[in-house]
Amino acid sequence: GIQVEQSPPDLILQEGANSTLRCNFSDSVNNLQWFHQNPWGQLINLFYIPSGTKQNGRLSATTVATERYSLLYISSSQTTDSGVYFCAVPYNQGGKLIFGQGTELSVKP
Amino acid sequence: KAGVTQTPRYLIKTRGQQVTLSCSPISGHRSVSWYQQTPGQGLQFLFEYFSETQRNKGNFPGRFSGRQFSNSRSEMNVSTLELGDSALYLCASSTQSTGFEQYFGPGTRLTVT
Repeated sequence: GIQVEQSPPDLILQEGANSTLRCNFSDSVNNLQWFHQNPWGQLINLFYIPSGTKQNGRLSATTVATERYSLLYISSSQTTDSGVYFCAVPYNQGGKLIFGQGTELSVKP
Repeated sequence: KAGVTQTPRYLIKTRGQQVTLSCSPISGHRSVSWYQQTPGQGLQFLFEYFSETQRNKGNFPGRFSGRQFSNSRSEMNVSTLELGDSALYLCASSTQSTGFEQYFGPGTRLTVT
C-alpha cells in the first residue's frame, strides 16, 4: 500500500521563527490533507490541497503531486502552533486516509 | 454548521466488557469513517460507512464493528475489550465516500483497565 512519511519527526522553535514540514508519499494521489492535532486530540483541518499552493494566514501549503510531496510552511510561529501536524492521503476506496506519523512541533516563548 | 460530534468523550471500561461509541456527522455528510489512534501505531483506519453501507474496512479483528443509520449517524462497537484497545477513537465525516475532504470530531478517549 501507499506509504506516507513526514519529516522532521520533532521540531522545537523559538516564537517568531519560521518552519517547513514535509510529507512524502509513495504513490500518486488525487488529494492530500494537512491537520493540526490540538492538545485535546481533535484533528483540525488546515488544508485540502491536491496540488498547487494555498495560504491561510501565517500558514501555507504546497503540493507537488508529480514529485509526490507536500510542504507545510508556518511563518512567525506562535506558542499556540504547538502540537502534532499530520498529512494524510486517500487510499483505495471508501474514505480511507493513510496518515503519516506526524511532526511534533513545540514553540517556545 | 455544527461540526462532527462524538459521544461520550471519555470512557473507562474493564477487560471483557463491550463498548459503543457514537458519531454524528456534519449535516449533509453521508460518509462516516472511524480511526483508532495509539502512541505505538499512530492513526489507523477502522472502517467507513456511506449511505448505511460499509464501503471499506481496515485490518482490525471482528471484535470491532460499526453501523450507520438513515440519518447518517454512526456507531462503532468493540466487544470483549482488551487492554490494547485503549486508544483515542476518532470519527470523520465527508460529503462523499472517496477523495473528498474529511472533517474530524473531538474523539472518544477509551481506557480499558
